[in-house]
Parts: sequence; structure tokens; C-alpha cells
Amino acid sequence: GAVVSQHPSRVICKSGTSVKIECRSLDFQATTMFWYRQFPKQSLMLMATSNEGSKATYEQGVEKDKFLINHASLTLSTLTVTSAHPEDSSFYICSASGGLIYGYTFGSGTRLTVV
Amino acid sequence: GENVEQHPSTLSVQEGDSAVIKCTYSDSASNYFPWYKQELGKRPQLIIDIRSNVGEKKDQRIAVTLNKTAKHFSLHITETQPEDSAVYFCAASSLFGNEKLTFGTGTRLTIIP
Repeated sequence: GAVVSQHPSRVICKSGTSVKIECRSLDFQATTMFWYRQFPKQSLMLMATSNEGSKATYEQGVEKDKFLINHASLTLSTLTVTSAHPEDSSFYICSASGGLIYGYTFGSGTRLTVV
Repeated sequence: GENVEQHPSTLSVQEGDSAVIKCTYSDSASNYFPWYKQELGKRPQLIIDIRSNVGEKKDQRIAVTLNKTAKHFSLHITETQPEDSAVYFCAASSLFGNEKLTFGTGTRLTIIP
């Protein structure tokens, strides 16, 4: 089946630093990548949608200059949290779409803690 | 945009009994409705899904029903077991695989042994 590898699984960083999260589709081409954020005991909230080779579309209220998304190839998308603050601490999870055949495949998630 | 509401937020049932979780959606263009099970710190796992051209789908102890006219769909789990304890999310999309999934608020299901 379709597999998406997400790294790192956990990261602790200091306030003010940047963190990069990678999602790789291992056995299919991800034409679209969805990035979600999930706070404790809450639902998955879509942050942005990216298509290979084009700029990401951000949801209302999500700062595009703070959450940089790159989808340079059909198998790799990255989310960089810039100048991280404690309130950015959350569970970040990607979902790769391989269109009508592969549907939605979730990465394993990244637990970000900003101290 | 799409808005998905989910009820109840918590549900406790005796082992062996049935559990029902309900969702309503707002966008009549939505035509794909998956249900996910999420354990603490893990990715959501797809447990069943339904498309708009079908009213009901069943997979062993799990079933989903869809009422497009009323814009609601439900998850039914029969003969519940302790391992069914988790958080369940419904979601909706207007184009399977190509459009975003909008998630419901989640239901924490606890099975009481």
C-alpha cells in the first residue's frame, strides 16, 4: 500500500529557532500534500495545501511566512516552522494525495515542543 | 467552506454493546466521507469510508450510513471490544484524493470491560 514517511517523529527546539519537517511518499507520486496541525485533544486542522512545483495555499489565519512549505518534487514536501515559539508546540502531520488511485495517506506525525 | 460537526464528543459503552457516532456536513458538493481512528500520538487510520452514490457500507463490525438529503452520516460499531477505545474522526471532501479533507471535532470512545 501507499506509504508516507515523516521525519522527525519528535523534536524539541529552543524558542526562536527553526524546525524542518519532511514528508516523503515512498511508493507513489504525491501530487498534493496537505499539512495539518493537531493540538492536544483537538481535531486535525488544515494549515495549507501544496501542489508539486507551485506555491502552497494557506488556510485563513495561518501565517505563510512562519510556516514555509516546499513541495519541490512529487515525492517530497517539507514544512519549516520559522522562529518557533511555545505556542507552536503541536502535533504536525502531513497527508499525501496520489489522486484518485491512492487517495489520502498520512505521515506518522511530528511532535514539536518549543521550549 | 465545508463545516463538519460531530457528536458526541465522548462516548462510553459497555463491551459488547454498539456505539454510534454522528456527523453533519454543510457543503452539498462533498461526496467522500471517511472515518478515522486515532490512538494517542499516532496517525489517523482509515477504518471505513463511503461515497455519495452509496447509502450504506459495512465491513465486519463497522458500518457507515449516509443521508445526502439531510447531509449527515454515521459510524456504527457493533459488538464493541476494548481495543475499539480511541478517538474517532469523521471527515468530508468534495473530490477524493484531490481536495482537502475537513475533519469533525472527534469522539473519544471508551469501551468499558
